Order: sequence, then C-alpha cells, then structure tokens
Amino acid sequence: ILNVEQSPQSLHVQEGDSTNFTCSFPSSNFYALHWYRWETAKSPEALFVMTLNGDEKKKGRISATLNTKEGYSYLYIKGSQPEDSATYLCAFNSGAGSYQLTFGKGTKLSVIP
Amino acid sequence: EAQVTQNPRYLITVTGKKLTVTCSQNMNHEYMSWYRQDPGLGLRQIYYSMNVEVTDKGDVPEGYKVSRKEKRNFPLILESPSPNQTSLYFCASSLIQGINQPQHFGDGTRLSIL
Repeated sequence: ILNVEQSPQSLHVQEGDSTNFTCSFPSSNFYALHWYRWETAKSPEALFVMTLNGDEKKKGRISATLNTKEGYSYLYIKGSQPEDSATYLCAFNSGAGSYQLTFGKGTKLSVIP
Repeated sequence: EAQVTQNPRYLITVTGKKLTVTCSQNMNHEYMSWYRQDPGLGLRQIYYSMNVEVTDKGDVPEGYKVSRKEKRNFPLILESPSPNQTSLYFCASSLIQGINQPQHFGDGTRLSIL
C-alpha cells in the first residue's frame, strides 16, 4: 500500500486569511496527483488533476503546485471564505501499470467568519 | 444530467445477509471504482474496473466482490457482510482508462451491519 500523507490534519483560519496545505507521495514512480474538495454530507468534487513536474493549476482562489521529483504537492487558498470550509483530499497514482488511486486522509479546513 | 447513482443511500442489515449496492453512471466512462470511508482512515479503494469485464483489487478487497458486465454499471456485492464492513461507501467513475482524469463520485451509501 502506497503512503500518501497530508498535513496538517486540520486547521482553522480566519475569513480573509490565505492558507496552504501539503500532500506528500512516493517520488520513485509518478503518474498523476488529484485534489478533491469534500464538504460535509456531500460527495468529493474534483479540483485538479496534475501530471507534470512543475505543473501549476488554478481555479478561482484555489491553486495547486506539483513537485514530482521530491514527492509533494501544495494546495493554496487565497482569501479564505466560510464556504471554503471542507476536507481537502489528495490522491496519487504511481503509474507503472497500476490504475489504483491512493488517497491521503485529508486536511480539514474550517474558516471562521 | 451527468451523474453517478448509487443505491441504496442507507442500509441497516444483519451479519451474513448478502447485499448488493448498485452503481450506475451515464457518462460513458470506462473507469469505475468503489471506495470505503472510515473515520481516521480516509478513502480506501476496494475494487476498480478499467472497462467491461476488467476488474482489479484495490487496497481493501477482502469480503467484497464486483462485476462489470455493462459499461454503465458496477455493483458492489457483500456475500456475507460482517460488522467491520459498516462504513460509508462511494462509487466513482472517470473518462478513459488512464487515471489522469478526475473521478466523479456518487452521493454515497451508508451501510450498517449489525
């Protein structure tokens, strides 16, 4: 079982603050890194799928970067809003003939109005 | 509307009584997958399927079966459910066989095995 680590496990920020969190994955083999946003009582929704080292993706106030050589991805949220409160999941696929997706345990973000 | 539909949404049943959770997608996706979500453990992949008649084990396949006889359907079968299979289950699908496409998730099925 591949090890995908997310940190921090949870964090609280004030409305308007910018924040970021980390997803770490094995750097030996890499094919794709996914980010999902999961609100309570809903199903996970895709934010980004990243495949290239150095890739940067952006959707509104949320952006992500990818470093496959050192095995990490950052998710940034600029000017956090209460509606950003959710658990953010990353998921990793190593390629090498595998189509399995391994998820981290998530970072739970709470934005305080 | 493009969607992944799971049924039932909630089920309480007893140990040993066979059950099936259905999953259907209307997006013509090749890749389909089942996950379970448990507190403190995150989403763990049970089985996945890259196309019709092609299935493979994920990280936690024990106690589960799947089948992919049609492209749109990917049922999860618990032949003899046990209490440790009490969990929140998600079905997901994505376009093409590669895993470089975003997963579309169903609304989840909450199973309680007594």
